[in-house]
Amino acid sequence: GENVEQHPSTLSVQEGDSAVIKCTYSDSASNYFPWYKQELGKRPQLIIDIRSNVGEKKDQRIAVTLNKTAKHFSLHITETQPEDSAVYFCAASKYGNKLVFGAGTILRVKS
Amino acid sequence: GAVVSQHPSRVICKSGTSVKIECRSLDFQATTMFWYRQFPKQSLMLMATSNEGSKATYEQGVEKDKFLINHASLTLSTLTVTSAHPEDSSFYICSASSRATAKETQYFGPGTRLLVL
Repeated sequence: GENVEQHPSTLSVQEGDSAVIKCTYSDSASNYFPWYKQELGKRPQLIIDIRSNVGEKKDQRIAVTLNKTAKHFSLHITETQPEDSAVYFCAASKYGNKLVFGAGTILRVKS
Repeated sequence: GAVVSQHPSRVICKSGTSVKIECRSLDFQATTMFWYRQFPKQSLMLMATSNEGSKATYEQGVEKDKFLINHASLTLSTLTVTSAHPEDSSFYICSASSRATAKETQYFGPGTRLLVL
């Protein structure tokens, strides 16, 4: 089955700096890659997603890149703010089936 | 749009009792609902996938007789934890997807924190 690895497990950045979180997946048939942000005790919220027919997608300060050949995708957050502090999860799925999540990254933005 | 609710948000029960958790899609028809369990500081682990009107598909290692899932309508799925024990204490989260929108996208409920004493 699919296996998703996520790095780093924790990431501390200074406010205004950029943050990058990377994930790799094992199943070359996976074609949907969402990123979720989860604050303590709350639901995961979809912040951006990408499908395998696209290499990059951007939404304001957030971008995701996908390298199908290498089977990895990354989340980029620019101009980080304290409210970006949370746990971020990547995930992968194929053809609308179940999501397989990475282990998560704790992002701390220091002001 | 795409709002998912869960009830209750928090429940404390005695060991050996059963607990039912409801998951509702409020403004769309959820053709598929998913149930996850999340232990502290860990990732979301899929327990089962349910499609309206059919039996749930359980992940390996999840006891279907202990975690009963019913997806009776396009807006409601329930998870019943039977004969709960302290090791079942966890954060249970449902999600829903819709064929009407991008079916891969899952919208999550707010979660239910279960504490078994």
